[in-house]
Amino acid sequence: DAGVTQSPTHLIKTRGQQVTLRCSPKSGHDTVSWYQQALGQGPQFIFQYYEEEERQRGNFPDRFSGHQFPNYSSELNVNALLLGDSALYLCASSLGAGTRFFGPGTRLTVL
Amino acid sequence: DQQVKQNSPSLSVQEGRISILNCDYTNSMFDYFLWYKKYPAEGPTFLISISSIKDKNEDGRFTVFLNKSAKHLSLHIVPSQPGDSAVYFCAARRTGGATNKLIFGTGTLLAVQP
Repeated sequence: DAGVTQSPTHLIKTRGQQVTLRCSPKSGHDTVSWYQQALGQGPQFIFQYYEEEERQRGNFPDRFSGHQFPNYSSELNVNALLLGDSALYLCASSLGAGTRFFGPGTRLTVL
Repeated sequence: DQQVKQNSPSLSVQEGRISILNCDYTNSMFDYFLWYKKYPAEGPTFLISISSIKDKNEDGRFTVFLNKSAKHLSLHIVPSQPGDSAVYFCAARRTGGATNKLIFGTGTLLAVQP
């Protein structure tokens, strides 16, 4: 049983560009949450998707948007990248509000 | 406002001894707490959790204690093994409503010396 998978593993972008990160949830899971982990910090909640809708959102600007597809996979989009967006982006899947299982993350570097 | 705090950035323990990782929280609405372990280049892995209706939960070498009056929880690892060396994150959430997001602490790096 494949766990949570994320792509790409690493990504380098320049300021002002746009990026799309992808996540496939663990089999049987219907809820996807995205987190940003800056260096030396704990993961910070960005938003959560369930039934293809954004259910909750953390304190992140509208430059951060997402989508969930009918197969429960999800994308995180970040527009107008800033240097401060450099971080590890983690996707977590769960069955409803159950235990979150995290993927390995995508390391985004903004130059 | 850091609602979940792990005040020890790092901890070093000898193999076979007990590791105690601490976590404090400020939001009295939190009713479910979790510990995750993270190795470099991997995502956090769920370890153990505890509901606010309990004060202890045990799973093999891992035990979590919750002191609601002090808003404090701790993770005990006995005996510690070199493979336990990782960053440990404490997380909390409020069940129900639209606020079941996880709030994480900043992590404690545990080093278990052989």
